[in-house]
Amino acid sequence: EIVLTQSPGTLSLSPGERATLSCRASQSVSSSYLAWYQQKPGQAPRLLIYGASSRATGIPDRFSGSGSGTDFTLTISRLEPEDFAVYYCQQYGSSRYTFGQGTKLEIK
Amino acid sequence: QVQLVESGGGLVKPGGSLRLSCAASGFTFSDYYMSWIRQAPGKGLEWVSYISSSGSTIYYADSVKGRFTISRDNAKNSLYLQMNSLRAEDTAVYYCARVGATEAFDYWGQGTLVTVSS
Repeated sequence: EIVLTQSPGTLSLSPGERATLSCRASQSVSSSYLAWYQQKPGQAPRLLIYGASSRATGIPDRFSGSGSGTDFTLTISRLEPEDFAVYYCQQYGSSRYTFGQGTKLEIK
Repeated sequence: QVQLVESGGGLVKPGGSLRLSCAASGFTFSDYYMSWIRQAPGKGLEWVSYISSSGSTIYYADSVKGRFTISRDNAKNSLYLQMNSLRAEDTAVYYCARVGATEAFDYWGQGTLVTVSS
């Protein structure tokens, strides 16, 4: 099973700053099958990025994804107040889906 | 618009059973693969099970294999999860989710809480 490790566990930033979230896989992941989600308290997760770098419908262009192989990154170019949440990466491979443990993005 | 509405959660004793349902609308249900994903209180996301559009291909996480059964009724636009031999560690919010073209979960329901406790 592919294990996804996200870092940092918590990221403290201010509105307007740039956020860089990392997702590292224990073995190579197809870029086609790497996604990022945002989850706010009491809500279901929302798909942000699929195929490592494609934005889902309605997602603002301040969100971008990049990476390949075992290292993937979610970047939020300029943080808005509504961006403070928990972010998860997810992969599919060998008939299994796995999620990272999440990065909490909090207001500094 | 796409809507997924879960139901069937509740309190159940260890060893008991529960059947979750997910009613889908706003898209052609029979065209899409579907999944169940759970989240224990205060924890991260854990994929549980997957079913292909026709129901012919099914996958389970090792943690639920042999105890949970996923199924669907395309005529009723509904997804199900039969959960048997429930354990305390199965306590979680259970979400149904649509599987998109690149194996990402593009739409999620609001979730239903399952609590396993004596």
